[in-house]
Amino acid sequence: DQQVKQNSPSLSVQEGRISILNCDYTNSMFDYFLWYKKYPAEGPTFLISISSIKDKNEDGRFTVFLNKSAKHLSLHIVPSQPGDSAVYFCAASEINDKIIFGKGTRLHILP
Amino acid sequence: KAGVTQTPRYLIKTRGQQVTLSCSPISGHRSVSWYQQTPGQGLQFLFEYFSETQRNKGNFPGRFSGRQFSNSRSEMNVSTLELGDSALYLCASSLGPAGGTYNEQFFGPGTRLTVL
Repeated sequence: DQQVKQNSPSLSVQEGRISILNCDYTNSMFDYFLWYKKYPAEGPTFLISISSIKDKNEDGRFTVFLNKSAKHLSLHIVPSQPGDSAVYFCAASEINDKIIFGKGTRLHILP
Repeated sequence: KAGVTQTPRYLIKTRGQQVTLSCSPISGHRSVSWYQQTPGQGLQFLFEYFSETQRNKGNFPGRFSGRQFSNSRSEMNVSTLELGDSALYLCASSLGPAGGTYNEQFFGPGTRLTVL
């Protein structure tokens, strides 16, 4: 039973345009949501997070939107840069519980 | 500040053997979580240790076990290895228990285990 779903295995975006990565979840008790970025041969690195009491959190080029009624969150990257090419993992947890990760979306930024 | 370190980085074992992986968290971090990453499966949670106690456990068989020492270093053990155990094993540390606001996890580079 997959509680965190990233339905797009891959996404290609032109450099300079907006990248939108989507994530759906099934557990309404999730309280905290995170995005991680992973390059090959490295561990995931934390990107941005959002608490369930908010619907938007912004950090530089990265913005995460949370729609609790739809159980959906998205990560927007504007503008997309070549270094953004990586695998992006969406993750969620209940309060003080284990973090559940999605399967990831591979983002390709095209020149 | 040194990051999370994992040893060894690569390991080749044969079916039926057992293996121990090690993780040293960031200094001051008391929580260590372990994940298994396989192609197409994302990161699957194995277990989390906080202050030497297992806080949470994922849906893995009893062949997978772990422990945490008083200096917060953690080890993961897999006994009676199977071909399907071939994966990247990632360790992550956080200041407090994972899953709370502001307790973001920092990952190590992983140990690539190949079972032949």
